[in-house]
Amino acid sequence: DAGVTQSPTHLIKTRGQHVTLRCSPISGHKSVSWYQQVLGQGPQFIFQYYEKEERGRGNFPDRFSARQFPNYSSELNVNALLLGDSALYLCASSSSSTGQTSYGYTFGSGTRLTVV
Amino acid sequence: AQSVAQPEDQVNVAEGNPLTVKCTYSVSGNPYLFWYVQYPNRGLQFLLKYITGDNLVKGSYGFEAEFNKSQTSFHLKKPSALVSDSALYFCAVRVPSGSARQLTFGSGTQLTVLP
Repeated sequence: DAGVTQSPTHLIKTRGQHVTLRCSPISGHKSVSWYQQVLGQGPQFIFQYYEKEERGRGNFPDRFSARQFPNYSSELNVNALLLGDSALYLCASSSSSTGQTSYGYTFGSGTRLTVV
Repeated sequence: AQSVAQPEDQVNVAEGNPLTVKCTYSVSGNPYLFWYVQYPNRGLQFLLKYITGDNLVKGSYGFEAEFNKSQTSFHLKKPSALVSDSALYFCAVRVPSGSARQLTFGSGTQLTVLP
């Protein structure tokens, strides 16, 4: 079975541009969460979606938005990119909205975004 | 608010020796606790979790962790370290109910196992 798939793996954008990151959860998983990991820090929660509804939002500006599609895949959008948005963006999926499964949340390998 | 502290940025241990990576947490209510490992340019891999029950949790690759409620700690341990265990380790916590469904991570501990 495929794990959590994220695309693209690497991305370079210019300040002020917009970016869309994509995530496909494990088959059967209905919950997708997004995390931002700045170099040298732990991941920071951005959004959680379950059954296409937003279930949680972290302390990020409105430039960050996300959505979940009927097939449970998800997109993270970031507008007006800043240099500080450079980070590894991680997607995590779970079969429940609470992560109460044998393995909690399963993470993808991430998208490395560099803003120049 | 929930928080996690990993007091050591770096832990070095000789191959074959026991290792400990420390984690303390702060939450309101009973916590769910997790350990993840991250290899260079990779995502997070699940090692183990504590939800309820036995305070000693066994996980992947020979790792285990002990939940200590009085000390609010969840230290990761392994009896005999391997060079291949060298990686970045993250402790994470979440509360089991309410709107705060997200994982809150510590800042990570870089483990280096020396041959």
